[in-house]
Amino acid sequence: TQLLEQSPQFLSIQEGENLTVYCNSSSVFSSLQWYRQEPGEGPVLLVTVVTGGEVKKLKRLTFQFGDARKDSSLHITAAQPGDTGLYLCAGANAGGTSYGKLTFGQGTILTVHP
Amino acid sequence: DADVTQTPRNRITKTGKRIMLECSQTKGHDRMYWYRQDPGLGLRLIYYSFDVKDINKGEISDGYSVSRQAQAKFSLSLESAIPNQTALYFCATSDFGRNEQFFGPGTRLTVL
Repeated sequence: TQLLEQSPQFLSIQEGENLTVYCNSSSVFSSLQWYRQEPGEGPVLLVTVVTGGEVKKLKRLTFQFGDARKDSSLHITAAQPGDTGLYLCAGANAGGTSYGKLTFGQGTILTVHP
Repeated sequence: DADVTQTPRNRITKTGKRIMLECSQTKGHDRMYWYRQDPGLGLRLIYYSFDVKDINKGEISDGYSVSRQAQAKFSLSLESAIPNQTALYFCATSDFGRNEQFFGPGTRLTVL
């Protein structure tokens, strides 16, 4: 069974601060995705990283895939109250019994105070 | 209009009742999934289907069953609901060959 350990579980910060969320596993993934979920809604895809060492930027959000494709991080610069939500990482495998399925981390609840 | 819809959005029921949650999608995707979300546990896969004739158990299928009535419709049933099935339930879809999943708005189920 593949596991994705996501940390921290909770983050409460002030507007303007920076933060990093981590997603770690002992398993190799063919790709890793980050989703954001707001109350009363389903998760929405933010980004997919595929190549080891890949870095993608989405405005103030920076996503990195580890060189060995076992871990990933999400860094938010100058957080804003609109960034508040649940952030989920999810790993995908190319084949075997995990084909076509995602393994989700436990999620990080981010609260950004004005 | 939303691409993935779920009905009902909220449901309160009693222990022992049979419950059906429905999911419809207009994305034209072959693959559909049912997840359960509990605080601190992320999303856990209940069942998934890669096409109309394909049904597969996920990691927590006990107590649940599914039906893929058409490419666009995938329903989840709780044959005899119990309180520890109180949770948020999400349906998702994905396209063949792609890992990105698209989620519905969720159903909040409470079993008393």
